[in-house]
Amino acid sequence: EADIYQTPRYLVIGTGKKITLECSQTMGHDKMYWYQQDPGMELHLIHYSYGVNSTEKGDLSSESTVSRIRTEHFPLTLESARPSHTSQYLCASSELGGTHFYGYTFGSGTRLTVV
Amino acid sequence: SQQGEEDPQALSIQEGENATMNCSYKTSINNLQWYRQNSGRGLVHLILIRSNEREKHSGRLRVTLDTSKKSSSLLITASRAADTASYFCATGFGNEKLTFGTGTRLTIIP
Repeated sequence: EADIYQTPRYLVIGTGKKITLECSQTMGHDKMYWYQQDPGMELHLIHYSYGVNSTEKGDLSSESTVSRIRTEHFPLTLESARPSHTSQYLCASSELGGTHFYGYTFGSGTRLTVV
Repeated sequence: SQQGEEDPQALSIQEGENATMNCSYKTSINNLQWYRQNSGRGLVHLILIRSNEREKHSGRLRVTLDTSKKSSSLLITASRAADTASYFCATGFGNEKLTFGTGTRLTIIP
């Protein structure tokens, strides 16, 4: 079973609301990532972190923000949700790179709908 | 910018047949990975091949990598209905920030 957990699984929310998507992992991975994926489409990296107090923006510009106060926790926040934010958000984590890199572990995703 | 592109975009085969999908990428890599995604779910890591490897096997999966052509293929042998999913290749270099391809949607017909 996955050792990375995302909540909620589904979220329908009104325009202008503030939301936080939760992501936690129990594997002690230093690296964590947020991807955005529209149905049937490719994944786009929106945020990543290489450790506590380290966060970077990804390749796709996003109005969301992230924080990394604890190794296991990497929440994503939208201050004011809009219909254009409707998408699936996938959280992932990985170990160190180089020869110790064995790929990402993904959570089950949060499907966000903003109405 | 998107690094990898899978081909074909969609593939339907009969159960028991072999499925082959391809991935092309543009820049230097030190590893390439394949992931599976069931509808509406997260991705599951299938197999990783490093740039100094040419072929790798895992159960019914066989991956090849040709760095001179910047391409990889994923072969699933003796397909099953449970293999129905989207398959993505992902490439990494240096700090391992992966870039995913566009995906191949595989349908296994019982």
